[in-house]
Amino acid sequence: GNSVTQMEGPVTLSEEAFLTINCTYTATGYPSLFWYVQYPGEGLQLLLKATKADDKGSNKGFEATYRKETTSFHLEKGSVQVSDSAVYFCALRKTTDSWGKLQFGAGTQVVVTP
Amino acid sequence: GAGVSQSPRYKVAKRGQDVALRCDPISGHVSLFWYQQALGQGPEFLTYFQNEAQLDKSGLPSDRFFAERPEGSVSTLKIQRTQQEDSAVYLCASSLGEDRVYYGYTFGSGTRLTVV
Repeated sequence: GNSVTQMEGPVTLSEEAFLTINCTYTATGYPSLFWYVQYPGEGLQLLLKATKADDKGSNKGFEATYRKETTSFHLEKGSVQVSDSAVYFCALRKTTDSWGKLQFGAGTQVVVTP
Repeated sequence: GAGVSQSPRYKVAKRGQDVALRCDPISGHVSLFWYQQALGQGPEFLTYFQNEAQLDKSGLPSDRFFAERPEGSVSTLKIQRTQQEDSAVYLCASSLGEDRVYYGYTFGSGTRLTVV
């Protein structure tokens, strides 16, 4: 079946450090891939997406590239801020699934210290 | 409204009690999803509505779980005879079209259910 695997957290780093959160997936065909972010006390928010191989999603300084050959969609940011502290979820949507339901990874908590 | 509203924000239920969780989607949004998020885990799909029609309920864990959206707007997720394993955050999400995941959903803040 389909699955999404993320690196475990928490990931703790200092402000202005480089952030990478690994995400790999298992799926048939070419799923769409997403990163969602959940700030404390808030709902999930779409951070970025990619719908086909080699697409790069980007938003708010975050980037992720859809790598079909390694079935990965790693999230990166070059210089994190304290405000980036949140839980990050990698997710996929099967292209054959017309309802658009998402399958999520377990989430990675990121803590950025001043 | 401006966003997806869920109520109550927190619910504590005694084991065996019935609960009802409410979701107010963004006005005009056709699609509505319910997800269950256990502690330390990612959200798991429960059910999907397109307007008032429940088109997918494959994620409902047992027949104690029931969801409805009678007028194609507000939705209620009901859990009968709650058990401790039902403790989780229940998330609602809505989307403008029936296949608009490309634009993402708008998620509510969730209802945290604790069964004691």
